[in-house]
Amino acid sequence: QVQLQESGPGLVKPSETLSLTCTVSGGSLSYHYWSWIRQPPGEGLEWIGYIYYSGSTYYNPSLKSRLTISTDTSKNQFFLRLDSVTAADTAVYYCARAPDRKWLRLDSWGQGTLVTVSS
Amino acid sequence: DIQMTQSPSSLSASVGDSVTITCRASQSISTYLNWYQGKPGKAPKVLIYGASNLQSGVPSRFSGSGSGTDFTLTISSLQPEDFATYYCQQSLSIPWTFGQGTKVEVK
Repeated sequence: QVQLQESGPGLVKPSETLSLTCTVSGGSLSYHYWSWIRQPPGEGLEWIGYIYYSGSTYYNPSLKSRLTISTDTSKNQFFLRLDSVTAADTAVYYCARAPDRKWLRLDSWGQGTLVTVSS
Repeated sequence: DIQMTQSPSSLSASVGDSVTITCRASQSISTYLNWYQGKPGKAPKVLIYGASNLQSGVPSRFSGSGSGTDFTLTISSLQPEDFATYYCQQSLSIPWTFGQGTKVEVK
């Protein structure tokens, strides 16, 4: 049973960079699609982007200019970097796995980590 | 972007009731439609993928149907653990988009 766990600072100052790590246990990054999703307080889910284990990335165009998703297969981790954050980036951030290309369903999720953007 | 619209936004139901939630896409997405259950403080859980395929381990009281632009999620006999928020999500094209959610509350 694959498990995912997000980690990173819970507080980021405006204009700075939000950096999160997702550590995958009980399975390999190989042959799967690894995604980031966020949920602002009281709002719905927003897809941020995903990376295939080989490194190909697909980003939400609304965030693309500020966004980098990467992997470290040796550590079974993948990463989110969001530059120039504002209060609008305050959200619970989830990492998740899509096991296959056909349906791209997110079948395993982390518990989520709240990131607040505030000075 | 493909817009996903769910209805209703919330509903009240009792244990044992049958519940149906609708999701409409702003353009055809074939059957690239997934349903998730979300609870406060917990990771969302996939229930249905490909519009009608039951995710392994999900009780059979959950079912999905539809294709093109109109989809439904049905819970045939609501259980106490089913009070939650449900989201649809299209995975046909980038960016993936979610519906705004349907909150199922205790009547």
